[in-house]
Amino acid sequence: GAGVSQSPSNKVTEKGKDVELRCDPISGHTALYWYRQSLGQGLEFLIYFQGNSAPDKSGLPSDRFSAERTGGSVSTLTIQRTQQEDSAVYLCASSLMIYGEAFFGQGTRLTVV
Amino acid sequence: DAKTTQPPSMDCAEGRAANLPCNHSTISGNEYVYWYRQIHSQGPQYIIHGLKNNETNEMASLIITEDRKSSTLILPHATLRDTAVYYCIVNAGGTSYGKLTFGQGTILTVHP
Repeated sequence: GAGVSQSPSNKVTEKGKDVELRCDPISGHTALYWYRQSLGQGLEFLIYFQGNSAPDKSGLPSDRFSAERTGGSVSTLTIQRTQQEDSAVYLCASSLMIYGEAFFGQGTRLTVV
Repeated sequence: DAKTTQPPSMDCAEGRAANLPCNHSTISGNEYVYWYRQIHSQGPQYIIHGLKNNETNEMASLIITEDRKSSTLILPHATLRDTAVYYCIVNAGGTSYGKLTFGQGTILTVHP
């Protein structure tokens, strides 16, 4: 596709369940980023990948959060044992090079009930 | 990352220039200034970035002061569709690049 694609666009899950959020970056983009945005709040950095490696995981809020990227393309953000405070819009972005612009997807709206 | 300071909100009349200021007094020599905007319910959109020279593209102009401690984003002819939250970010690139730190931004409202 032409842009960053995220799926699902909306996810409602029960507290305690695991969820997987998927990001398809723009083809050829080596850098991929995950952010989350709680209602009415700014964007919170979670993690970024350069190729398949994640140099900086310090933004992950707890050990319930993990992310991987395979083949230098698709990335999956996994949240285990979801809590209500995990409810937010999870945004993915990719960029061609480290000093260039980052293109954002439309996000996955996660609601934990 | 250097901290940025932006006014929480601004208004602009349609068709007029919108000038959005940003202070980044602790910016380092290798840090770039980036501007993004977020229209309601959408992902952020890149606008422009620069290091020390003024930059212009089809969306906007970026004016960076000589001491690099502040900058101004200029939308030359604002339209209603430019109503959004505008974020000013400084980032050094390299291993810290991905950690674009978004502050609260400036809510720009363009009115008829």
